[in-house]
Amino acid sequence: KNQVEQSPQSLIILEGKNCTLQCNYTVSPFSNLRWYKQDTGRGPVSLTIMTFSENTKSNGRYTATLDADTKQSSLHITASQLSDSASYICVVTGGYGGSQGNLIFGKGTKLSVKP
Amino acid sequence: EAGVTQFPSHSVIEKGQTVTLRCDPISGHDNLYWYRRVMGKEIKFLLHFVKESKQDESGMPNNRFLAERTGGTYSTLKVQPAELEDSGVYFCASSHRSYVSRDRGGTGELFFGEGSRLTVL
Repeated sequence: KNQVEQSPQSLIILEGKNCTLQCNYTVSPFSNLRWYKQDTGRGPVSLTIMTFSENTKSNGRYTATLDADTKQSSLHITASQLSDSASYICVVTGGYGGSQGNLIFGKGTKLSVKP
Repeated sequence: EAGVTQFPSHSVIEKGQTVTLRCDPISGHDNLYWYRRVMGKEIKFLLHFVKESKQDESGMPNNRFLAERTGGTYSTLKVQPAELEDSGVYFCASSHRSYVSRDRGGTGELFFGEGSRLTVL
């Protein structure tokens, strides 16, 4: 069964600290993996998109890693800010080019950054 | 450039009533998707349009849900008659290219709307 599991479910950190969110998936065939940030009451916003050949990708203070062999990904947030408080959702796309495949969403990790 | 817009932002209806949600994708985006998140669960795919054609509607829960995209522009998602379990947040997303690709040429980035929250009492 295609699944995306995220951990932890929630996380509280102090402003300025770093944190790492985890994502394990069992989606096959694998096409790409995305991390989204979703602020409360808003739609998800893309942070990174990685294909199977990419091991790491950065977007400002966000760095995503991907290990396609172990089917694991992480999202590292450096020097957290209050505005980083949000849900972070890992999404894996199954399927091949030309096939419409499907997005499999994780439940998200709810991050709270405290002053 | 305007993003994906959804209307209404929140709808409260009684069981048995009908609700129609609307999504306006980013101009020029042929791909339009509907997703739903029910309380405590992950976001799940409902269906995918390419222009006015339904490319994949495998995620539609049952025949009480009807999606249309006449003219290949905006889309509507009608729930009739609504049941309690239909409550949740309905997201629309659009992309210029398909989000599935193992080829060079990249992956279609999805742009989400802010969602329409549906509460069925």
